[in-house]
Amino acid sequence: DQQVKQNSPSLSVQEGRISILNCDYTNSMFDYFLWYKKYPAEGPTFLISISSIKDKNEDGRFTVFLNKSAKHLSLHIVPSQPGDSAVYFCAASAPGTSYGKLTFGQGTILTVHP
Amino acid sequence: DVKVTQSSRYLVKRTGEKVFLECVQDMDHENMFWYRQDPGLGLRLIYFSYDVKMKEKGDIPEGYSVSREKKERFSLILESASTNQTSMYLCASKLRVLETDTQYFGPGTRLTVL
Repeated sequence: DQQVKQNSPSLSVQEGRISILNCDYTNSMFDYFLWYKKYPAEGPTFLISISSIKDKNEDGRFTVFLNKSAKHLSLHIVPSQPGDSAVYFCAASAPGTSYGKLTFGQGTILTVHP
Repeated sequence: DVKVTQSSRYLVKRTGEKVFLECVQDMDHENMFWYRQDPGLGLRLIYFSYDVKMKEKGDIPEGYSVSREKKERFSLILESASTNQTSMYLCASKLRVLETDTQYFGPGTRLTVL
C-alpha cells in the first residue's frame, strides 16, 4: 500500500523554464512533508519541507505547495538549471509515529536540458 | 559539517552468505535508519534505532537484522543473502525524534547478490 505516490517517473524540462514535480498522499494523518534530491552515487539530501499548517513554503528557486483537501503537494523549481537534474523524492510523516519515521514516494527523475 | 559514511560503495555477495553493512555518523545523532531503494518503489524503511541497543522494525524487516552497540554506528545484517535483496542500501541519521529534524543520508551501498 503506497501511501505516498509520485505518479510521474520522469520529467524533462528546458533550462530556464519551470519544473513542477507532483506528489499525492493517502494518509490523512500526515502533517509534515519534505522533498529530497538525489544525485547518482550519492545519498538523498534534504531540499525543502512544509508543515500542514501552511500551504506554501519558499526557499530561493524552490517552492513547495500543499493542498490538504486534495492530499497533494508539488515542488516548483524556477528557473530550472541543468544542475537540478536528479531524482526527487517526496516524503511525509505523521505525528506520533515512531521517531519521526518518513514514508517516501517512488521518486521522479528530473532532466533539465541546456 | 554533517557526515554519514557507509563502509562500502559496492558489494557483490553469493546467495546464502552473511552480509554486514556498516554505517557511521559523526554528529552524535540519537536516531539512525536503514532504507533500501529500488526502482519504482522509492525508499523503504527496513529498521531504525533510537538509542544504543534499541531498535524497531520498519516496513520491510524480513530477512534483515540490525545492531547498534555504539551511538555512532548502526549495522545492517543479512543473515542469509538472497537475490531479492539485491538493492541500493541507504543509511540515515537524525538528531532527535522531532518530525522537523532533518534526516541525513550516507552515499549508499549497492549490493548485488548472485
